[in-house]
Amino acid sequence: EDQVTQSPEALRLQEGESSSLNCSYTVSGLRGLFWYRQDPGKGPEFLFTLYSAGEEKEKERLKATLTKKESFLHITAPKPEDSATYLCAVQAQQAGTALIFGKGTTLSVSS
Amino acid sequence: GAGVSQSPSNKVTEKGKDVELRCDPISGHTALYWYRQRLGQGLEFLIYFQGNSAPDKSGLPSDRFSAERTGESVSTLTIQRTQQEDSAVYLCASSLVRQVGEKLFFGSGTQLSVL
Repeated sequence: EDQVTQSPEALRLQEGESSSLNCSYTVSGLRGLFWYRQDPGKGPEFLFTLYSAGEEKEKERLKATLTKKESFLHITAPKPEDSATYLCAVQAQQAGTALIFGKGTTLSVSS
Repeated sequence: GAGVSQSPSNKVTEKGKDVELRCDPISGHTALYWYRQRLGQGLEFLIYFQGNSAPDKSGLPSDRFSAERTGESVSTLTIQRTQQEDSAVYLCASSLVRQVGEKLFFGSGTQLSVL
């Protein structure tokens, strides 16, 4: 069964304290791995798509990496405005159009 | 419009009543998706539209759930005879085309509470 597991469920950081979020996946043929950010009361907002192991993408203080079993979202020197829930999703070959989402990691950054 | 618009933003209903949730996608986006987000759970796929047809309805949890899309634009998700377990945030998303890696643009969702 295709599955996405994110850890930790919640993460509290001090401003400037770098860390990483993990997304482990089990899929029957990965077509793409996605990271989204979700603020309270809002819909998810697209961050990155990764397609193959070894690929990396960066945006401001965020960098996403991909291996054959997991993806990491690295947050460098976070600021309070980075506080949000970060969602990982995969598109599997047998899942058709549906993205399979993890439960997310809720990040809180305090000043 | 500037983004995906969903209405109402909040809906409180009594068990057994029918509800309709509306989604206005970004103009020109041919693909439209409905997802459900229960408290503490990941987003759950419900249905996908390409134009006005729904080639993938595999996520609809029961025959109480249905959806339609007209004019390659507005979509309505209908839940009949609502149950308490239907309480969730219902999210709509659209994309320009359906292809691998195509990013989805989400609305802010409808928070449905079934009493």
